[in-house]
Amino acid sequence: ILNVEQSPQSLHVQEGDSTNFTCSFPSSNFYALHWYRWETAKSPEALFVMTLNGDEKKKGRISATLNTKEGYSYLYIKGSQPEDSATYLCAFMTGTASKLTFGTGTRLQVTL
Amino acid sequence: KAGVTQTPRYLIKTRGQQVTLSCSPISGHRSVSWYQQTPGQGLQFLFEYFSETQRNKGNFPGRFSGRQFSNSRSEMNVSTLELGDSALYLCASNNVPSGGHGYTFGSGTRLTVV
Repeated sequence: ILNVEQSPQSLHVQEGDSTNFTCSFPSSNFYALHWYRWETAKSPEALFVMTLNGDEKKKGRISATLNTKEGYSYLYIKGSQPEDSATYLCAFMTGTASKLTFGTGTRLQVTL
Repeated sequence: KAGVTQTPRYLIKTRGQQVTLSCSPISGHRSVSWYQQTPGQGLQFLFEYFSETQRNKGNFPGRFSGRQFSNSRSEMNVSTLELGDSALYLCASNNVPSGGHGYTFGSGTRLTVV
């Protein structure tokens, strides 16, 4: 049974703060690590798909890093804005499966 | 470009009944996956179809089934509904079986079993 863990469970920051979340996953049989943003009443939206150890991806103020040897990924948000408020999900894909195993997410709330 | 369309958006069923949910993927996407989300649980994988073949199935009882048609549209069926089947069911599509640039999710079907 694959276990994907995310921390913290929730986070409350002020506008302008920078923040980061952690996703831990099994380091064996790695194929890909996905990050999604899920805003309330909307669909999960893909942020990054990371496949190589040492991968770093960036999209505006959001970036992510990947360490497949030790089984973790970090998501960073620089200068948080209220519109960044959402649940951030990571999902792990093995080399033998065509499915995503999701963590339970980090719920971010950004206030003015 | 139309997104992933799921119908219906909301559904209320009685225990013991069966239900069919529909998912139309983005045009050209041949991979369709289904996920269940219940309160307190993350998204749980149900099954994945690619070119009408079920390639993977999650740990759900046989009451949960699905299929994919030649136009890539997919349906999932839950028979003999139980209260615990109340959940948000999400469908996701991709143009490659390995996840590619990430999956595009639909808005979901919220199923309530009473």
